[in-house]
Amino acid sequence: AQKVTQAQTEISVVEKEDVTLDCVYETRDTTYYLFWYKQPPSGELVFLIRRNSFDEQNEISGRYSWNFQKSTSSFNFTITASQVVDSAVYFCALSEARGGGGTSYGKLTFGQGTILTVHP
Amino acid sequence: EAGVAQSPRYKIIEKRQSVAFWCNPISGHATLYWYQQILGQGPKLLIQFQNNGVVDDSQLPKDRFSAERLKGVDSTLKIQPAKLEDSAVYLCASSPRGSSYNEQFFGPGTRLTVL
Repeated sequence: AQKVTQAQTEISVVEKEDVTLDCVYETRDTTYYLFWYKQPPSGELVFLIRRNSFDEQNEISGRYSWNFQKSTSSFNFTITASQVVDSAVYFCALSEARGGGGTSYGKLTFGQGTILTVHP
Repeated sequence: EAGVAQSPRYKIIEKRQSVAFWCNPISGHATLYWYQQILGQGPKLLIQFQNNGVVDDSQLPKDRFSAERLKGVDSTLKIQPAKLEDSAVYLCASSPRGSSYNEQFFGPGTRLTVL
């Protein structure tokens, strides 16, 4: 069965600090997709990034960067020069290509989430 | 493009009462998901529809929860009767098709409180 672990329950930083959110996953599938979603106080989950299991290139998008390491089953997310608007709950999620039995495609398994608070 | 719409946004009921939530996905999206998010946890899939057929309802408590997606567009999720442990945010999401590649677009959720 697939599992996603976000060990950091809460992180508090001061504006302009860099912060890294950890994500470790478990899956028996060789083809899978990893996602990060942001959940601001409004409650709506906002898609940030998708990475497939065959692409271990790191990605940078503005102040956001992601480090995918298959050898350690990790998909960490770094925010550089954090801002108050980054305050939210961040979720890492996993989707198996074969759906863990072939009956469900696109099902996301989420981690517990990390609450990030950025203080001015 | 309009996003995923959900109503109501908030609902308070007493245990053993019934409640229904409504979701309107993004136009043209074939796949619709209902998730339950208990406070302090990540969302958990309850049921997935592909058009108007159920693809996965393995984690839906079928003794009290039901869902339908008539005509492959709107969907309703019902709880009857509600229990205290059903207090959660119910999120609806949609995607163009049920592929593990596709990102899911989420609605604002319905926050249910069962007293």
